[in-house]
Amino acid sequence: ILNVEQSPQSLHVQEGDSTNFTCSFPSSNFYALHWYRWETAKSPEALFVMTLNGDEKKKGRISATLNTKEGYSYLYIKGSQPEDSATYLCACRIQGAQKLVFGQGTRLTINP
Amino acid sequence: NAGVMQNPRHLVRRRGQEARLRCSPMKGHSHVYWYRQLPEEGLKFMVYLQKENIIDESGMPKERFSAEFPKEGPSILRIQQVVRGDSAAYFCASSPSSLGQVNNEQFFGPGTRLTVL
Repeated sequence: ILNVEQSPQSLHVQEGDSTNFTCSFPSSNFYALHWYRWETAKSPEALFVMTLNGDEKKKGRISATLNTKEGYSYLYIKGSQPEDSATYLCACRIQGAQKLVFGQGTRLTINP
Repeated sequence: NAGVMQNPRHLVRRRGQEARLRCSPMKGHSHVYWYRQLPEEGLKFMVYLQKENIIDESGMPKERFSAEFPKEGPSILRIQQVVRGDSAAYFCASSPSSLGQVNNEQFFGPGTRLTVL
């Protein structure tokens, strides 16, 4: 059974501070790692799709890294803003499977 | 380009009734995925469909649940004889091709929140 873990479950950060959180997944048969940003009452919004070990992607103040050998990905947010408050989901896909297996998410709250 | 559409957004059913959830994928997308979020849990895969075909239904409960994606019209997730444990948020996602292509993303709809009384 593929198990994807995210930590921490929730996080409170002061506006302007930078933060990061973790997604852990089994390294065997890895194919791709997806990050989503999910605001309450809205659709999950795709942030990144990562496949290569050592890959790093960036979108504005948000960036992500991937280590497929040890099975983890970090999501970084630089200079947090109130609009960054959301749940951040990671999802893993293994070779030969179409489905995404999601972690429980990290709920981020930015305090003004 | 409209995103993934789901309706209804909220659905209330009594135990034993049927629930039909609809998903219209993004224009040009021929692959649809259904996920369920039970209370206090994460998103769990249910089924993956292409036009007129079920490709992977490994996450679907064996009884009472079915899904289709006809040649014309939206994808339908159907739950017969609903029970209280079916209360959840049901999300649909679509992609232009299978996830077999590297960097291919799934785009999510806003979900249907099913409440079974």
